[in-house]
Amino acid sequence: AQSVAQPEDQVNVAEGNPLTVKCTYSVSGNPYLFWYVQYPNRGLQFLLKYITGDNLVKGSYGFEAEFNKSQTSFHLKKPSALVSDSALYFCAVRDDTGGFKTIFGAGTRLFVKA
Amino acid sequence: EPEVTQTPSHQVTQMGQEVILRCVPISNHLYFYWYRQILGQKVEFLVSFYNNEISEKSEIFDDQFSVERPDGSNFTLKIRSTKLEDSAMYFCASSAGTYSPDYTFGSGTRLTVV
Repeated sequence: AQSVAQPEDQVNVAEGNPLTVKCTYSVSGNPYLFWYVQYPNRGLQFLLKYITGDNLVKGSYGFEAEFNKSQTSFHLKKPSALVSDSALYFCAVRDDTGGFKTIFGAGTRLFVKA
Repeated sequence: EPEVTQTPSHQVTQMGQEVILRCVPISNHLYFYWYRQILGQKVEFLVSFYNNEISEKSEIFDDQFSVERPDGSNFTLKIRSTKLEDSAMYFCASSAGTYSPDYTFGSGTRLTVV
């Protein structure tokens, strides 16, 4: 069975500092991994994905994530946080066995202070 | 950029009433999904739909729920007799294929059952 864990309910960071939002996963086959962002009263916006290839993937708004197979992790990172990055971030996973369901983590709220 | 459109953005209904949530997926996408999110919490998979039939559904998707693609463009979620606990944000999503696993989400319908 697939599962995703986001161990932090909230991450606080000062503007200009690097940020990391953690995600670990469990799947039967090989993972497809995603990060989505949700701003207040808005839908889910795709940030980036890992399907195969380079372990470091780059996405929208300067975000990147590193796939680590041995640690089953896919942490979201940004070198320099902006106040406008404050939002709810969801990690999601799907396996490559042909199933249709993507499983989302519980979400991590990111607060960037000016 | 192509969008998934959901209507209405907010629906208030009395307990026991039927509601239909509407979605227009991206035109060349083949896979359609409904997810729900209760009060900014976890995003939960409800159902996936492909080739005019349900391909996978969760335990949440009981006999009260149904989906339909009544024409070439709309994708609907019907809740037959709403309960208070059905109050949530309902997101429609579509994807080009099961091996193109990144979804495009709509902006959601907030359902309030009173």
